[in-house]
Amino acid sequence: QSVLTQPPSASGTPGQRVTISCSGSSSNIGSNIVNWYQQLPGTAPKPLIYSNNQRPSGVPDRFSGSKSGASASLAISGLQSEDEADYYCATWDDSLNGWVFGGGTKLTVL
Amino acid sequence: EVQLVESGGGFVQPGGSLRLSCAASGFTFSNFWMHWVRQAPGKGLVWVSCINNDGSRTNYVDSVKGRFTISRDNAKNTLYLQMNSPRAEDTAVYYCARGGSTPHWGQGSLVTVSS
Repeated sequence: QSVLTQPPSASGTPGQRVTISCSGSSSNIGSNIVNWYQQLPGTAPKPLIYSNNQRPSGVPDRFSGSKSGASASLAISGLQSEDEADYYCATWDDSLNGWVFGGGTKLTVL
Repeated sequence: EVQLVESGGGFVQPGGSLRLSCAASGFTFSNFWMHWVRQAPGKGLVWVSCINNDGSRTNYVDSVKGRFTISRDNAKNTLYLQMNSPRAEDTAVYYCARGGSTPHWGQGSLVTVSS
């Protein structure tokens, strides 16, 4: 049972726009920045979005993040086959005094 | 370029001990909180522990409290995780990660707890 709630799966066809949600509470998302990670099979998680909506260098602008209250979302536009991966949201939790993660969303490109 | 390289993983028997290391480079190590995160086979990411800049504050997930110890050597730019009395459910890839607003993660080190 993860502290942050994500849908277990999402899908879309090439070129489509897909959104992945991440729901938390006032002690985590509601009061801290959110990061998003992309994990391709057999590889380490790669930072995709940091500080709610910032992209590390090298991440295409097809990926965008947003936060409102105790929820956050990741949007992927112009979906490509190489976007097929697991996506995780993460933030600090003021009650647990540690990072908390969503359970992960497996994105399938149909 | 920021780099985090984990080492020390491998097989360990239940009740034994193992120490993971994470060598940091490309940034001022002593300026950042550091974390350990693990991922059991086929499962999601779970935060394990963190330590502040100078090592005076540490936090742990409940499942490892009293068994694991996080520490750091700022002179050697190295983070550690001492795993005592590991259990089968501690089997996972262990990642070290830099705190702060711009995250960086290592490639991970596999720990297998089995008799």
